[in-house]
Amino acid sequence: AQSVTQLGSHVSVSEGALVLLRCNYSSSVPPYLFWYVQYPNQGLQLLLKYTSAATLVKGINGFEAEFKKSETSFHLTKPSAHMSDAAEYFCAVSENSGNTPLVFGKGTRLSVIA
Amino acid sequence: GAGVSQSPSNKVTEKGKDVELRCDPISGHTALYWYRQSLGQGLEFLIYFQGNSAPDKSGLPSDRFSAERTGGSVSTLTIQRTQQEDSAVYLCASSYGGQQGSGYTFGSGTRLTVV
Repeated sequence: AQSVTQLGSHVSVSEGALVLLRCNYSSSVPPYLFWYVQYPNQGLQLLLKYTSAATLVKGINGFEAEFKKSETSFHLTKPSAHMSDAAEYFCAVSENSGNTPLVFGKGTRLSVIA
Repeated sequence: GAGVSQSPSNKVTEKGKDVELRCDPISGHTALYWYRQSLGQGLEFLIYFQGNSAPDKSGLPSDRFSAERTGGSVSTLTIQRTQQEDSAVYLCASSYGGQQGSGYTFGSGTRLTVV
């Protein structure tokens, strides 16, 4: 069975500082990995995805994530936080060879301090 | 439509009543998913429809929960005899085909409150 662990339910950074949101996954087969963002009272929006191509994936709003198989990690980063980045972020995993639905982590709430 | 549409956006119901939540996926998306989002619990998978195949119901928490998808498009999630622990945001998503690499498009959700 697949699973996702997001370290830290709440992360707070200063505006302009590095954003690092951690995600570790467990999968018995090669995974697809995703990061989604959820703004208040909205649905989830896809930020970026890893589907076995380049290990460094660039997404929207300046975010990127690196797939590290040896560490079973897919951490999300952004060099400089903006106030508009404040939201809930979810990491998700799925098998890359089947139709199993995405398994989501519990989410990390990002706060950006002016 | 341009996105995944869910209705109602908010629903308050009394304990013991039945509720129906509706999801209208993106036109042409053959896969449809229901998830439940509770505070601090992330997204819990409920049910998955892919084309004309039998749905994957493995995530439904009890037999009070059921869902159907008519004509391969609109889906309705029904919760019978609602309980307070059913209070949550119910999210619907759709994707093109069953391959997971395309990612999902989510609706804005239905916030269900059972009083």
